[in-house]
Amino acid sequence: DIQLTQSPSFLSASVGDRVTITCRASQGISSSLAWYQQKPGKAPKLLIFDASTLQSGVPSRFSGSGSGTEFTLTIDSMQPEDSATYYCQQFNNFPHTFGQGAKLEIK
Amino acid sequence: QVQLVQSGAEVKRPGASVKVSCKASGYTFTNYHMHWVRQAPGQGLDWVGVINPSGDSTTYAPKFQGRVTMTRDTSTSTDYMELSSLRSEDTAVYYCAVVRVGYWGQGTLVTVSS
Repeated sequence: DIQLTQSPSFLSASVGDRVTITCRASQGISSSLAWYQQKPGKAPKLLIFDASTLQSGVPSRFSGSGSGTEFTLTIDSMQPEDSATYYCQQFNNFPHTFGQGAKLEIK
Repeated sequence: QVQLVQSGAEVKRPGASVKVSCKASGYTFTNYHMHWVRQAPGQGLDWVGVINPSGDSTTYAPKFQGRVTMTRDTSTSTDYMELSSLRSEDTAVYYCAVVRVGYWGQGTLVTVSS
């Protein structure tokens, strides 16, 4: 199985801060990666697919980059509503594994 | 609008089976794969498997192989996920999802307890 390791696992940021979360794959996965945002008690929400394509309706302060084994999710200017847990998921190989999650809180 | 409506919460004894349904509406059901993902209490997301648009091919995560069965009824636009030989570690919220376009069900809590 492909392992996805997210870092950091926990972070806090102030309103307006730039936030970066990294997802590293144990082997190359091309650009077959998605990013999700999950708030407590809710289903995950798709933010980014194919590593860098913004899902319709997602604010433009979110962006994704990377290919191969290293990927990043960036929030340009942290907003209070961005407090959530973020997950990456790879679609290059079965099983379609997830990262362990990165919990983002507002300072 | 697009909806994935899942069946209600279940409580099962260890060793039993559970079958969760996911009824789709608002999009062309037979155009998309349906994935199943679970989340144990306070834990991360765990990919269970996927069924193809026509319902004749499935791929399961190795950890569930032999215990999980995914089926599709195209006449009712409903997908099903059955998990057998339940143990306490299977206690989780189970989601159906058309991951490629970001459609998710509301989740079904399955509790396994004696």
